[in-house]
Amino acid sequence: GESVGLHLPTLSVQEGDNSIINCAYSNSASDYFIWYKQESGKGPQFIIDIRSNMDKRQGQRVTVLLNKTVKHLSLQIAATQPGDSAVYFCAESIQAGTALIFGKGTTLSVSS
Amino acid sequence: KAGVTQTPRYLIKTRGQQVTLSCSPISGHRSVSWYQQTPGQGLQFLFEYFSETQRNKGNFPGRFSGRQFSNSRSEMNVSTLELGDSALYLCASSLDGTPQETQYFGPGTRLLVL
Repeated sequence: GESVGLHLPTLSVQEGDNSIINCAYSNSASDYFIWYKQESGKGPQFIIDIRSNMDKRQGQRVTVLLNKTVKHLSLQIAATQPGDSAVYFCAESIQAGTALIFGKGTTLSVSS
Repeated sequence: KAGVTQTPRYLIKTRGQQVTLSCSPISGHRSVSWYQQTPGQGLQFLFEYFSETQRNKGNFPGRFSGRQFSNSRSEMNVSTLELGDSALYLCASSLDGTPQETQYFGPGTRLLVL
């Protein structure tokens, strides 16, 4: 699979590869993190979330890793499919509030 | 369950006009948040309403306002529109708006200011 250490605005992978999308969050007080997928013309769609007392959480074909030491979040997509092509955003939430702070987004392009 | 719905989906206005956007949350959800999405600034939090009260507010000028009705439906209003207000306005709902609660987004209203 393809992996990037720092946030990149775009990521291109082949169908069947594993994809890793990275995100650096801003606030050490953030305690809830979410990944959203946004397809063209649609609103963000919830993929997976993780709380700060965890460092890994798995869903269907997706895994989120949280490294609080370096304030880093990653989304791993297994066996990437053309339908996974979209913009992926990480978001963080601080305990005292409900506002989500979004990262810049990574456009994932999957070619078959 | 029906998702979050927003109306209208598309809107064209001219500078100086005002606009009202509407959001219906998922049935049973009482918290509604609004976000602005632009290519340059990304997704930015505008405000959040719960039980008809604004609980949180982002860093936007007073021209941006909102309200929530007793059925949890929410409206946001932008007065004296500027070109820079052209954006996708997204509404998200959650059950009680508590921290660590998932927010579900609607499809957005795309506003173009000419």
